[in-house]
Amino acid sequence: GGIITQTPKFLIGQEGQKLTLKCQQNFNHDTMYWYRQDSGKGLRLIYYSITENDLQKGDLSEGYDASREKKSSFSLTVTSAQKNEMAVFLCASSRTGDTEVFFGKGTRLTVV
Amino acid sequence: GDSVTQTEGLVTLTEGLPVMLNCTYQTIYSNPFLFWYVQHLNESPRLLLKSFTDNKRTEHQGFHATLHKSSSSFHLQKSSAQLSDSALYYCALSGGYKVVFGSGTRLLVSP
Repeated sequence: GGIITQTPKFLIGQEGQKLTLKCQQNFNHDTMYWYRQDSGKGLRLIYYSITENDLQKGDLSEGYDASREKKSSFSLTVTSAQKNEMAVFLCASSRTGDTEVFFGKGTRLTVV
Repeated sequence: GDSVTQTEGLVTLTEGLPVMLNCTYQTIYSNPFLFWYVQHLNESPRLLLKSFTDNKRTEHQGFHATLHKSSSSFHLQKSSAQLSDSALYYCALSGGYKVVFGSGTRLLVSP
């Protein structure tokens, strides 16, 4: 088995601040994802990456940057934190194509 | 592009009644994989069941679903709802490099 580790678990930032969320996986999966989940709502895809140094925009990419320098890691940057984007950010990974997506435990973002 | 539609945002049931959550999809792939994920409160989503075989019933933990390519559907069913089934359920599709999730259906089971 493997694990997806997201750091930090809780992130408090100020409005307008640039914030970075990190994700590591040891499944050796090719594809990694960042999702945002607002309280009680469904998943919204921010970015995904199908291999090292690849980046693909999801439906919610505006206001975010992402980076995949290594196969095992995928980071997400909130370029200018806003109070309306307080949410849980979930990192996930899957083998390319046909397989189960595994999720990390999430980073809860609070903007003050 | 690929898409998954879950028409019900919220389904409320009394314990013991049957469960059916709807899922339809659109894809260019002739052999897509379809999944159901479940997310309990304060947890991350996890796989419930998956299928890629047309007209074959897939079962796990009392839930079942059958992929019907003719109608592009993959509805989730259970014969008798339990209180512990209360959760957010996502239908998902994979045919290429990424998985596409539906918007989710919240199932609330009451005594």
